Amino acid sequence: AQSVSQHNHHVILSEAASLELGCNYSYGGTVNLFWYVQYPGQHLQLLLKYFSGDPLVKGIKGFEAEFIKSKFSFNLRKPSVQWSDTAEYFCAVNARGAAGNKLTFGGGTRVLVKP
Amino acid sequence: GAGVSQSPSNKVTEKGKDVELRCDPISGHTALYWYRQRLGQGLEFLIYFQGNSAPDKSGLPSDRFSAERTGESVSTLTIQRTQQEDSAVYLCASSIHPGTSGGWETQYFGPGTRLLVL
Repeated sequence: AQSVSQHNHHVILSEAASLELGCNYSYGGTVNLFWYVQYPGQHLQLLLKYFSGDPLVKGIKGFEAEFIKSKFSFNLRKPSVQWSDTAEYFCAVNARGAAGNKLTFGGGTRVLVKP
Repeated sequence: GAGVSQSPSNKVTEKGKDVELRCDPISGHTALYWYRQRLGQGLEFLIYFQGNSAPDKSGLPSDRFSAERTGESVSTLTIQRTQQEDSAVYLCASSIHPGTSGGWETQYFGPGTRLLVL
């Protein structure tokens, strides 16, 4: 079975600071990787995903993530955050080719960007 | 439709009562998922429907939990004899058909139903 860990539960930073959120997964096979975001009062929505090809993936709102297979990691980055990036961020994985594509989520990281 | 919808938005119930939660997926999405999010935790998979195939119930925590789906439309999640530990946000998601070699299809989430069991 897969598992996902997000090391930081809470992150507080100022506008224009750089953001990096860690995500590590445990699974012996090939995976698809996702970052979802939940802004205050809104639905969960997809930020970006990786399933093959270039391990550096670019998503919406200037976010990117790098898949490092040897480290079982898929860290999320943004060079310069804005106040509007205040949200909760979830890393998720599913097993490639498994019946269905049920996601296994990490515990989430709450990010607060101070203006 | 515009997105996944869920009802009710909030539900308060007494321990021991049954509750029904509803999900309307995006039109044309054949796959439907239920997840649960307890306070301060990540989402846990509960159940998955794909077309007319038998559902994947591997995430249901107990036999008090069940779900149905009518064709490729509405789904209801039923919790019988609710317990306080059932308090959580219940999220529904839908996607296009997950290919046999994929699994990368984006899941679109609804707003959730916040359940409080007193």
